[in-house]
Amino acid sequence: DAKTTQPTSMDCAEGRAANLPCNHSTISGNEYVYWYRQIHSQGPQYIIHGLKNNETNEMASLIITEDRKSSTLILPHATLRDTAVYYCIVRVNNYGQNFVFGPGTRLSVLP
Amino acid sequence: SAVISQKPSRDICQRGTSLTIQCQVDSQVTMMFWYRQQPGQSLTLIATANQGSEATYESGFVIDKFPISRPNLTFSTLTVSNMSPEDSSIYLCSVVAQGLAGWATDTQYFGPGTRLTVL
Repeated sequence: DAKTTQPTSMDCAEGRAANLPCNHSTISGNEYVYWYRQIHSQGPQYIIHGLKNNETNEMASLIITEDRKSSTLILPHATLRDTAVYYCIVRVNNYGQNFVFGPGTRLSVLP
Repeated sequence: SAVISQKPSRDICQRGTSLTIQCQVDSQVTMMFWYRQQPGQSLTLIATANQGSEATYESGFVIDKFPISRPNLTFSTLTVSNMSPEDSSIYLCSVVAQGLAGWATDTQYFGPGTRLTVL
């Protein structure tokens, strides 16, 4: 799997948009970008994934640059419950392929 | 959508003993994985639990230490054998489903984890 680079930590004010960047400059053409988050002491939670088009669901939006070398996860209105470690993973969309987790970004939503 | 549960949710064990962790899914799933998360660290894959055959272990993990069973498409166990304090971690099972309503195809979903402390 291609490696990703994320900031170690970020702060965001409650109610504001949280924009979490991820660099994946060596991503292959058949690799997707996945985002998970892990709230303290819980199992990782799937958020969203995409290949090259921007994606949106009820949790977040994923913006992937045209060259696919980087992406941004957007939480439009961050709440205190969004405080978590956010993981960006690139992976071939194959059910047999496991996910390789890096250190992620620790997002703190501040009141 | 399917639910993933793990038992026990947490345990405190003495060194030299073994603990078996169960992972139950309420729908049939294609793939099941076991991960370890040591304190303050990210997740590390232990093995892929294969239905009807021996698990596939990652480098650094061996069957004698982490025997895994997967008797059917909804259940798996991980045993942590001859435990030492270094085995204190959160152990997580994850599944990949295909064709289940409400699940993103080929996406991995995680159980709540088992927090193990070895004294």
